[in-house]
Amino acid sequence: DAKTTQPTSMDCAEGRAANLPCNHSTISGNEYVYWYRQIHSQGPQYIIHGLKNNETNEMASLIITEDRKSSTLILPHATLRDTAVYYCIVPGGSYIPTFGRGTSLIVHP
Amino acid sequence: NAGVTQTPKFRILKIGQSMTLQCTQDMNHNYMYWYRQDPGMGLKLIYYSVGAGITDKGEVPNGYNVSRSTTEDFPLRLELAAPSQTSVYFCASSYNSRNYGYTFGSGTRLTVV
Repeated sequence: DAKTTQPTSMDCAEGRAANLPCNHSTISGNEYVYWYRQIHSQGPQYIIHGLKNNETNEMASLIITEDRKSSTLILPHATLRDTAVYYCIVPGGSYIPTFGRGTSLIVHP
Repeated sequence: NAGVTQTPKFRILKIGQSMTLQCTQDMNHNYMYWYRQDPGMGLKLIYYSVGAGITDKGEVPNGYNVSRSTTEDFPLRLELAAPSQTSVYFCASSYNSRNYGYTFGSGTRLTVV
């Protein structure tokens, strides 16, 4: 698996955009980037994934740099319910997702 | 569509007891996984299965056993429970694990005393 690096914690004001970065400098050309989040004590929830192009769904947007060595998850209008731990994952050839500590996002009023 | 269902949600075991954590999915997913999560930590893979009859060890398999007799079910067996196995256990599934998102169950909170 490509190793990913995320900040330990971030905070964001409610209603503002939350931009969560992830570095995956060892990613190979055919590996996808996945983002999940885990709200306190619940199972992780899939958010979005991408390969090369930017992606958007009803939950978030994913921006992947042209060299694919980093990506940013964007929550356009963060709410208090978006407070969670966010995981950036590159399962790669093993097809087995590895969840590190992720980024703890706190959305404050 | 129930997704991934785990039972029980909570359990307290005494040291040395055994139990089975149940996991079932109704999405016809081939891949299934068991993770454990200790407080403040990420998820660690215990065992996984790529299809019925096939299982393999993850990062922390010691003290656990699994079986996969059907596509739907992937039970996790704890033999001789120890305090170090106090954790939250999550089961997950995916269709082919490459281009699909993973669906997680709601977890089983296990305490060994």
